[in-house]
Amino acid sequence: GQQLNQSPQSMFIQEGEDVSMNCTSSSIFNTWLWYKQDPGEGPVLLIALYKAGELTSNGRLTAQFGITRKDSFLNISASIPSDVGIYFCAGQLQYGNKLVFGAGTILRVKS
Amino acid sequence: DSGVTQTPKHLITATGQRVTLRCSPRSGDLSVYWYQQSLDQGLQFLIQYYNGEERAKGNILERFSAQQFPDLHSELNLSSLELGDSALYFCASSRGTYQETQYFGPGTRLLVL
Repeated sequence: GQQLNQSPQSMFIQEGEDVSMNCTSSSIFNTWLWYKQDPGEGPVLLIALYKAGELTSNGRLTAQFGITRKDSFLNISASIPSDVGIYFCAGQLQYGNKLVFGAGTILRVKS
Repeated sequence: DSGVTQTPKHLITATGQRVTLRCSPRSGDLSVYWYQQSLDQGLQFLIQYYNGEERAKGNILERFSAQQFPDLHSELNLSSLELGDSALYFCASSRGTYQETQYFGPGTRLLVL
């Protein structure tokens, strides 16, 4: 089945640093989504990307839909302690609405 | 708060038992999705319902079943439970069924002893 390779697996960074994570796949996706999950909560949508090459920002977050439609990255600028959590990429296939998730990136921020 | 509600929040049961998880979608959403999150498999899509009808199936075991009722709430039934079924079960909802953003509920944590 479809798989998303998300990296890095975890990051431990200093407050104020920028963060970058990405997802790649052998499959083409029509939509790329980035979610954040806090402990004991459900994933919360951060950014949705609908077109190849699209670059979208949400506050300190910026994400891009790769031109090949097989990859996406998420950048967080000037990290703060509340950025701690697990970040998931998810791809949506051309037909239907099923989401395929990456394994997640655990982000820890040292203040 | 995503607007998606799930009950119960926690469930502890024994192997061989059957449980029912409940989900109420956001107001106006017609699609409901069920996902399983476990340590070894990550977040996996189980099944989708749209306006009462099954629309898509993922990695859902035969011991599991779901339905969506006329008021659009959904239930996920897990039977003959095994230790490996211990996981977080999430429900998500969206307006329609194609290329729609999904909003997740807080999840039900199931522990099978």
